[in-house]
Amino acid sequence: GAGVSQSPRYKVAKRGQDVALRCDPISGHVSLFWYQQALGQGPEFLTYFQNEAQLDKSGLPSDRFFAERPEGSVSTLKIQRTQQEDSAVYLCASSLISGRSLSYEQYFGPGTRLTVT
Amino acid sequence: SQQGEEDPQALSIQEGENATMNCSYKTSINNLQWYRQNSGRGLVHLILIRSNEREKHSGRLRVTLDTSKKSSSLLITASRAADTASYFCATVHQAGTALIFGKGTTLSVSS
Repeated sequence: GAGVSQSPRYKVAKRGQDVALRCDPISGHVSLFWYQQALGQGPEFLTYFQNEAQLDKSGLPSDRFFAERPEGSVSTLKIQRTQQEDSAVYLCASSLISGRSLSYEQYFGPGTRLTVT
Repeated sequence: SQQGEEDPQALSIQEGENATMNCSYKTSINNLQWYRQNSGRGLVHLILIRSNEREKHSGRLRVTLDTSKKSSSLLITASRAADTASYFCATVHQAGTALIFGKGTTLSVSS
């Protein structure tokens, strides 16, 4: 079956531009996560949705970062006025089960590599 | 911030050898998971071990968890060239909603 898909796979933006990254989770998955992975590092949590509700956005690095999931399926991560330090791979993951214990695996998409020049 | 620390940062072995990676973490956890990331591909879940478990097996993978030492190890037996990847441990806090990843171990298996 189809896994988590993300688009675009690669994005080059000039500093100051706005970008929008899309995530299509596995159909029926309740939970959706965004992570940021810098080169040579592990992924770092950005934000979490349960259906359409954004329950945790504590990992968003600044108010230039905004995420939404209006219908509880597709999600968009928007970065306004991009800066060079925003260059990273942005990973989306979905999980079937909701809840705080996260006792189930997360399925990751291939990521969007953002380069800010 | 990243909670886990994998050790070693890099590991090079020959096909057929075993590979052992270690992970240490800082706070109480609900469970610990290991993921693999190949170059150009997304993260793939390998195995999950709950805080009340001490050892778990899946195929050629063996994971141990020592909550008193806040550490875990991943053993890959009879390694193959296809095992070449970065391996990350990830923890779930008892009160958390997200996975907290370490920096990873880069494994190279040569034939």
